[in-house]
Amino acid sequence: KQEVTQIPAALSVPEGENLVLNCSFTDSAIYNLQWFRQDPGKGLTSLLLIQSSQREQTSGRLNASLDKSSGRSTLYIAASQPGDSATYLCAVPMDSSYKLIFGSGTRLLVRP
Amino acid sequence: NAGVTQTPKFRILKIGQSMTLQCTQDMNHNYMYWYRQDPGMGLKLIYYSVGAGITDKGEVPNGYNVSRSTTEDFPLRLELAAPSQTSVYFCASRGQGAVNYGYTFGSGTRLTVV
Repeated sequence: KQEVTQIPAALSVPEGENLVLNCSFTDSAIYNLQWFRQDPGKGLTSLLLIQSSQREQTSGRLNASLDKSSGRSTLYIAASQPGDSATYLCAVPMDSSYKLIFGSGTRLLVRP
Repeated sequence: NAGVTQTPKFRILKIGQSMTLQCTQDMNHNYMYWYRQDPGMGLKLIYYSVGAGITDKGEVPNGYNVSRSTTEDFPLRLELAAPSQTSVYFCASRGQGAVNYGYTFGSGTRLTVV
């Protein structure tokens, strides 16, 4: 059974730091991996989706990498800003119907 | 605005009451999903649908029912509310094709059962 784990559960950094969020999964036979951002009391916003054939995806200051063989993905945030404060969730599809299995998230606080 | 719309945003139910959480999407997505999120946790799948008239159970379906009579709508029904159903409920949709694997989520319904 696929399990998705995110470490750390919470992270507090000063503004301007580069940081890495980690996501690991137990079954490497995934279709893709998706990173989401969730602001308090809000829904989820899709940040990046990496297909199983890809090694990384970039969007602005965000870069997500995928290593299927080791069951890991990282989300790199460059030059963090207070507006980046949110919970970041990773998820992988359970099967071809793309039902997602989520990690429990990393709660990020970027201090001014 | 294109996207997934959920109503209501907040609701308090008494134990044993029933209610329907509404979800509508205007992107002509075939796939729709209902997830619940408990405090400090990730999301768990309740039910999903791969198209109008087709629904199936997810990881935590007990106490819920769904229907999918149109492509646009995917309501979630709670028949006999229990305190364990206190949670935030998210509806999501997904298109088909290589460029549409990503999900679009609604803003959620925060439900409290007392």
